[in-house]
Amino acid sequence: EDQVTQSPEALRLQEGESSSLNCSYTVSGLRGLFWYRQDPGKGPEFLFTLYSAGEEKEKERLKATLTKKESFLHITAPKPEDSATYLCAVPSTDSWGKLQFGAGTQVVVTP
Amino acid sequence: GAVVSQHPSRVICKSGTSVKIECRSLDFQATTMFWYRQFPKQSLMLMATSNEGSKATYEQGVEKDKFLINHASLTLSTLTVTSAHPEDSSFYICSARTLGLAGDEQYFGPGTRLTVT
Repeated sequence: EDQVTQSPEALRLQEGESSSLNCSYTVSGLRGLFWYRQDPGKGPEFLFTLYSAGEEKEKERLKATLTKKESFLHITAPKPEDSATYLCAVPSTDSWGKLQFGAGTQVVVTP
Repeated sequence: GAVVSQHPSRVICKSGTSVKIECRSLDFQATTMFWYRQFPKQSLMLMATSNEGSKATYEQGVEKDKFLINHASLTLSTLTVTSAHPEDSSFYICSARTLGLAGDEQYFGPGTRLTVT
């Protein structure tokens, strides 16, 4: 059975303290991986789609990378507004659109 | 990025009544929309896949007669929770799939908080 595991569950950072979030998966024939940000009481906000091992994408202070077994979301010099839950998701093997989500990493950035 | 809206954002209903939630893609057409449910402190769980002009496909364990899905156009899908009970109280989120500049992307609505009393 496909599994998506995110670590750590929670992360508390000082403003400016860079860190990385991990998303590991056991999916046969991975065809891509999504990263989202979710604020409390809101729907997930699309960040990145990664398609193949070695691919990297950046957006402001966020950088996502993908290997054959895991993905990392690097947060460089975070600010308090980067506080959110970060979710990764992989498409199911029978349908690209059906996403299986990890449990998420809750990030809190303090001033 | 593409915008997906949901209405209502919050709804409180009495047990036994039905509630309809709308999901719209505002600036793009989506042949496929998805409905998710999220319980407190948990991640999103896919309920069903909605394709325009055809019957929805439900995930295992989701009652299709209880959660009625209609995808009437390329920009609108609706989820009706029939005969709602307190255990149906949850955060319902829709998403729409599109092919953007960055490739295959899926955008989510802001969610609907359903409370059944």
